Amino acid sequence: QKEVEQDPGPLSVPEGAIVSLNCTYSNSAFQYFMWYRQYSRKGPELLMYTYSSGNKEDGRFTAQVDKSSKYISLFIRDSQPSDSATYLCAMSGNQAGTALIFGKGTTLSVSS
Amino acid sequence: GAVVSQHPSRVICKSGTSVKIECRSLDFQATTMFWYRQFPKKSLMLMATSNEGSKATYEQGVEKDKFLINHASLTLSTLTVTSAHPEDSSFYICSASRGGRQGYEQFFGPGTRLTVL
Repeated sequence: QKEVEQDPGPLSVPEGAIVSLNCTYSNSAFQYFMWYRQYSRKGPELLMYTYSSGNKEDGRFTAQVDKSSKYISLFIRDSQPSDSATYLCAMSGNQAGTALIFGKGTTLSVSS
Repeated sequence: GAVVSQHPSRVICKSGTSVKIECRSLDFQATTMFWYRQFPKKSLMLMATSNEGSKATYEQGVEKDKFLINHASLTLSTLTVTSAHPEDSSFYICSASRGGRQGYEQFFGPGTRLTVL
């Protein structure tokens, strides 16, 4: 079993839809959970980060972490065509400066 | 804040030549920098972790003599692909971490697309 599992999609939704992106993981030592957005041929851009369990909201984006289930989610409300990108979940342990473990990324396409 | 730049953004070279890629943290000091490689439609593959002033730590399967990493200052790390071959063609991305309590955040550069003919 890989450390981080993420369905690669592709996921296609109409504009305005609510999008749910998910990752599962196996290492209970993970404490920091991040979501990155990557446009084609560009570097990943940090969208959200969460420490331990709980929810975090930023505009149209909500990140959720359920450590008991080892499951994290990113919700996008009122999705826009500009949200079309690959979304990567990433996580790390408690030690600063350690490498992130990435999911494979989910490709999202929002049609107008 | 937290901007990371990479140079060049794209490079095409002949087989057998060496290519140097620079990664700079523009507005913060990066205690740790990471180098990743990404194939089309694939996730990021960590190649090595470098701390300023120390030798880089390479991931299993990554040839340290082929991918030379230098982290000479808190704002600059370089990756040199030595004697490049077509199979080294890929998208190379660096990231930088501030360390300390915010050390879990990594900020990525825009990537360098290397094509070896």
